[in-house]
Amino acid sequence: GAVVSQHPSRVICKSGTSVKIECRSLDFQATTMFWYRQFPKQSLMLMATSNEGSKATYEQGVEKDKFLINHASLTLSTLTVTSAHPEDSSFYICSASRVWHSGNTIYFGEGSWLTVV
Amino acid sequence: SQQGEEDPQALSIQEGENATMNCSYKTSINNLQWYRQNSGRGLVHLILIRSNEREKHSGRLRVTLDTSKKSSSLLITASRAADTASYFCATDASPTSGTYKYIFGTGTRLKVLA
Repeated sequence: GAVVSQHPSRVICKSGTSVKIECRSLDFQATTMFWYRQFPKQSLMLMATSNEGSKATYEQGVEKDKFLINHASLTLSTLTVTSAHPEDSSFYICSASRVWHSGNTIYFGEGSWLTVV
Repeated sequence: SQQGEEDPQALSIQEGENATMNCSYKTSINNLQWYRQNSGRGLVHLILIRSNEREKHSGRLRVTLDTSKKSSSLLITASRAADTASYFCATDASPTSGTYKYIFGTGTRLKVLA
């Protein structure tokens, strides 16, 4: 079964509004989660690293004021797309790092389709 | 940023044939992973190969890694129509920090014709 859950899986919002996407680690604590964006027929682009209890680290070219990331607990990170525009329509995927005694494993969520109309 | 490039960008083969996809990356890595993505869906983890490994098998999948050339290949043998998907390699962009920040390659769109 899924160990990282994303919600909603699909969302349509009006231009100018904000939309929040949640990423939850289901049976483990994740101090670090990652947010990716994927345009149709393109690869996944890392947007930011979400750190529990501290500010997110954004990749170059990603507007931190537009894509607000909050990692308030060890099992939940949220991505809020503020003042959404049609060009923000995309597939957003999160991943969470699970720490084992033998190393780390990355688990990906199922993704969230955002359509801005 | 894009760490890896994959080729070919698109591949179309007949069912039963083998499919080979290649991935090149730029920096040192701890490990490299291959993922499959069906159209409009999330990622499915296929296989992880560590930097000290040269080859790994999983069912019909064979992955090789050449750290001297900074490249990896994914071979799918006896392909099936259900293998039709996009395939991505992903590498840890920060191997020394241990943050496991994965960067994806450009991907290969595989189409297997029945």
